[in-house]
Amino acid sequence: NAGVMQNPRHLVRRRGQEARLRCSPMKGHSHVYWYRQLPEEGLKFMVYLQKENIIDESGMPKERFSAEFPKEGPSILRIQQVVRGDSAAYFCASSPPSLLTGVPGELFFGEGSRLTVL
Amino acid sequence: DQQVKQNSPSLSVQEGRISILNCDYTNSMFDYFLWYKKYPAEGPTFLISISSIKDKNEDGRFTVFLNKSAKHLSLHIVPSQPGDSAVYFCAASAWGAGSYQLTFGKGTKLSVIP
Repeated sequence: NAGVMQNPRHLVRRRGQEARLRCSPMKGHSHVYWYRQLPEEGLKFMVYLQKENIIDESGMPKERFSAEFPKEGPSILRIQQVVRGDSAAYFCASSPPSLLTGVPGELFFGEGSRLTVL
Repeated sequence: DQQVKQNSPSLSVQEGRISILNCDYTNSMFDYFLWYKKYPAEGPTFLISISSIKDKNEDGRFTVFLNKSAKHLSLHIVPSQPGDSAVYFCAASAWGAGSYQLTFGKGTKLSVIP
């Protein structure tokens, strides 16, 4: 499967625990985005990364949340000390290396990771 | 502040008829608009887009219209098919301003009745 791979698909955590969500972009893609969808809401931008660089994290909460996209391996979205309000679907998307090719803004999304905080 | 609004949470249409999904935006910096389709338990998939320099873009059964002065766009699906039943998200970006973020609406759930 050459699509965007996210795991785990479902994650249950108790308040105060840590959640780690992983994303492998499509083959050949070097740009990764994380979006969050709260119940009955649209997707909200969190962070945009390229390999080893955070390009735009303006949508990421200042505390408890962090993201990385190392030179090797998947992108990781880490949520420390989770609270019930963190329960949501977290979608990763990727796009090709050159933003001048293809359709601007056309992102390829994974199936999402659904986090439930008890 | 919701910059992209889809005011109809749901829409039901008979198979074979036209589906019209609407979207309004407030940010004048938006210059690229996209529609994404989402099935339950799946990620959104890109459907069609339009640049702010155009007023219409067509791809098979799907046409997107942009009224820049009204800050309004719409997606027309004709003829509608049962497989089109999904949630449709309108999204916008300020691409020319160097922003790679997509701002999404809350979505409209389309049900196409056989």
